[in-house]
Amino acid sequence: DQQVKQNSPSLSVQEGRISILNCDYTNSMFDYFLWYKKYPAEGPTFLISISSIKDKNEDGRFTVFLNKSAKHLSLHIVPSQPGDSAVYFCAAWEGAQKLVFGQGTRLTINP
Amino acid sequence: DVKVTQSSRYLVKRTGEKVFLECVQDMDHENMFWYRQDPGLGLRLIYFSYDVKMKEKGDIPEGYSVSREKKERFSLILESASTNQTSMYLCASSPAGADIQYFGAGTRLSVL
Repeated sequence: DQQVKQNSPSLSVQEGRISILNCDYTNSMFDYFLWYKKYPAEGPTFLISISSIKDKNEDGRFTVFLNKSAKHLSLHIVPSQPGDSAVYFCAAWEGAQKLVFGQGTRLTINP
Repeated sequence: DVKVTQSSRYLVKRTGEKVFLECVQDMDHENMFWYRQDPGLGLRLIYFSYDVKMKEKGDIPEGYSVSREKKERFSLILESASTNQTSMYLCASSPAGADIQYFGAGTRLSVL
């Protein structure tokens, strides 16, 4: 039972445009969400996070939006750059013990 | 910088072999985790540990065990490797109470 779902396995965006990666969750007890970025042959690295008491968090080109009523969050990257090509994982904290990950979305930025 | 080191990048083992995957972190983190990453399934938690000699089962512990004899080292053991354990294995660590986990580069295990 996938509690965190990334329904788009892949996304292709032109350089300079906006990339929007989506994530849905089913557990209303999740209260903290993170996005990780993973390059091939490397481990995932933390990108940005958001608490459930907020609806937006911004860090440079990266913004995460949280819609609690829809149980949906999204990551916006503006403008997209070739170095943003990677797999992006959405994750949510289940209580204090466990981080639950989505399936990942492969983002490709085209020149 | 946090460094999480996994001893092998690639491993090839035979069915039935006992396999050890080692992970070492250099930041004195209390928490350590083992995940496997499979296409279409994302990262799934196998085991985690909050302290030396402590372990907790994650979502998919069957066929695996772990050992944490020292704070910096967390080992994943496949008692009798099977082909369905072919996967990318990722180790992570975090300070107690922290929201962010730091990952190693992963070990790609093939069981033939």
